[in-house]
Amino acid sequence: DGGITQSPKYLFRKEGQNVTLSCEQNLNHDAMYWYRQDPGQGLRLIYYSQIVNDFQKGDIAEGYSVSREKKESFPLTVTSAQKNPTAFYLCASSRANSYEQYFGPGTRLTVT
Amino acid sequence: GDSVTQMEGPVTLSEEAFLTINCTYTATGYPSLFWYVQYPGEGLQLLLKATKADDKGSNKGFEATYRKETTSFHLEKGSVQVSDSAVYFCALSQPTNTGNQFYFGTGTSLTVIP
Repeated sequence: DGGITQSPKYLFRKEGQNVTLSCEQNLNHDAMYWYRQDPGQGLRLIYYSQIVNDFQKGDIAEGYSVSREKKESFPLTVTSAQKNPTAFYLCASSRANSYEQYFGPGTRLTVT
Repeated sequence: GDSVTQMEGPVTLSEEAFLTINCTYTATGYPSLFWYVQYPGEGLQLLLKATKADDKGSNKGFEATYRKETTSFHLEKGSVQVSDSAVYFCALSQPTNTGNQFYFGTGTSLTVIP
């Protein structure tokens, strides 16, 4: 079955540690996206990538980094510079110039 | 800039009641419009879509009509079920010269009680 996988589903880290969230898709989509979801705030775009080896900052990129070395993979690193990292993180993908996004199941990150 | 505004929740309805969740948008050009549904602890699933004015999207008894004159895309269902309890997001997609940009509303939580 084609789809988007995110792992792990739950992630716990101590403050000051970097952590990397995985996102893999086998839909052969060109574009991939990372969103952060907080209660009552909807989805906010962190980073997006339209093609391999290229990515752009979204609305809340500070304290995050990404890479896009392969078409199917778009990992997100939450660095120690992110002041409030505890949130639900969603990865999505779409075909080039498509108006439709497909979402992964999400990773809930808790930093204490 | 482009944006989506949707009705604040939470919304609580009895089973078989009529549902309306309001959504309005601000956009230049001709965006596509969507409703997504999110069940607890899961990602978003596309519920329905409309790509041009006067289009009606429908799925699983839900429907929404793209109204350009009122810049609206309200979600409706004639008879809700307990299994419809979820958070609903209105969204738009706008083509740009760097690819499609997506904008989401803040979500409306729906609880259906038996």
